[in-house]
Amino acid sequence: DAKTTQPNSMESNEEEPVHLPCNHSTISGTDYIHWYRQLPSQGPEYVIHGLTSNVNNRMASLAIAEDRKSSTLILHRATLRDAAVYYCILRGILYGSSNTGKLIFGQGTTLQVKP
Amino acid sequence: EAQVTQNPRYLITVTGKKLTVTCSQNMNHEYMSWYRQDPGLGLRQIYYSMNVEVTDKGDVPEGYKVSRKEKRNFPLILESPSPNQTSLYFCASSVTGGGWGTEAFFGQGTRLTVV
Repeated sequence: DAKTTQPNSMESNEEEPVHLPCNHSTISGTDYIHWYRQLPSQGPEYVIHGLTSNVNNRMASLAIAEDRKSSTLILHRATLRDAAVYYCILRGILYGSSNTGKLIFGQGTTLQVKP
Repeated sequence: EAQVTQNPRYLITVTGKKLTVTCSQNMNHEYMSWYRQDPGLGLRQIYYSMNVEVTDKGDVPEGYKVSRKEKRNFPLILESPSPNQTSLYFCASSVTGGGWGTEAFFGQGTRLTVV
């Protein structure tokens, strides 16, 4: 299973942008890059995903390096409700592979947002 | 509202007393799975199901059973619970398990304590 590396923790001030990095140097050509977050006492929540191009949605933006060996989740204006553990996950093809479709959660990045 | 519903949210039981944690999704998803979350170990997949009547083991299946008789339901069964199954459990569903852009929806979790 391809692995990702994230910083253990990051801090941000409220209303400021946050850039959460992720390294995935062993990514394969068919792996999608997914981001989830887990707020305290809740289940993981999907944030965004992409394959090669940068992606935007109402929650965040995902910037993917040209070689795909790293990516950055961008929260444009952090709020106190964005304080959570953020997970960068690679999800590969299912059929015809040994992949079970599982999401491999590492330790993630704990984001603290200061008022 | 699209959601994955788990019940119960909290459960304290005694060793050896069979229990079932229910999981239901209302999105007509084919793929469903169970994870457990333990401090320092992150989330690990227990079982998964690619469709009705198709289930398979994840990374930590020992002591658990599942069934998938209907598309919407995927109960987790502990035939003889033991204290090492004390954990936080999450059910998840997605359109498929493949990497091509399928976001996973998670339930709110079931905190199980086996004494």
